[in-house]
Amino acid sequence: DAGVIQSPRHEVTEMGQEVTLRCKPISGHNSLFWYRQTMMRGLELLIYFNNNVPIDDSGMPEDRFSAKMPNASFSTLKIQPSEPRDSAVYFCASRVSGNTIYFGEGSWLTVV
Amino acid sequence: AQSVTQLGSHVSVSEGALVLLRCNYSSSVPPYLFWYVQYPNQGLQLLLKYTSAATLVKGINGFEAEFKKSETSFHLTKPSAHMSDAAEYFCAVSGAPTSGTYKYIFGTGTRLKVLA
Repeated sequence: DAGVIQSPRHEVTEMGQEVTLRCKPISGHNSLFWYRQTMMRGLELLIYFNNNVPIDDSGMPEDRFSAKMPNASFSTLKIQPSEPRDSAVYFCASRVSGNTIYFGEGSWLTVV
Repeated sequence: AQSVTQLGSHVSVSEGALVLLRCNYSSSVPPYLFWYVQYPNQGLQLLLKYTSAATLVKGINGFEAEFKKSETSFHLTKPSAHMSDAAEYFCAVSGAPTSGTYKYIFGTGTRLKVLA
């Protein structure tokens, strides 16, 4: 079975540029999560969706961050404009209601 | 509200020795508890989970964890460490589905080093 698929795996971009991270959850999963991992703050939940609807975006750092889930098989996390402090690994994860969440391999973002 | 505390950001054990990684939780609703492992440059992989059934949970790679409500703990153990166990381990808490709590809250992680 295909797991959670994230793209790009690695991205290096210049400060001020727009970054779009993409996620395809596991088919049939109805919850989707975006996490950010850094050495300083560990794993932070940015936002999660249930049945394509954003339930809690309290972890989104600021207005430069936005996330969408236009359908059950696709989500994006956008940073505009990007800053060096946004450099991190961004994980997408999905879950069937009530059960384990499954993580993608992550998108390694470096903003220079 | 829910939270997880992992005691010890770094743990070193000798190959063949007991592995004990500590996790304490706080939850206002009956918790579901999880241990995940992260190998370098990879995503998180589920090791095991507690979902209100048996309090002793067995997972992959010989790991197990015991849910102790009185101690609000969910420590991870493995009788004999292997070099391939070197990784970062995360404890997480979530509410049961009926609680309406969807979030997974992760601990700060414990990096396990296995010495030859």
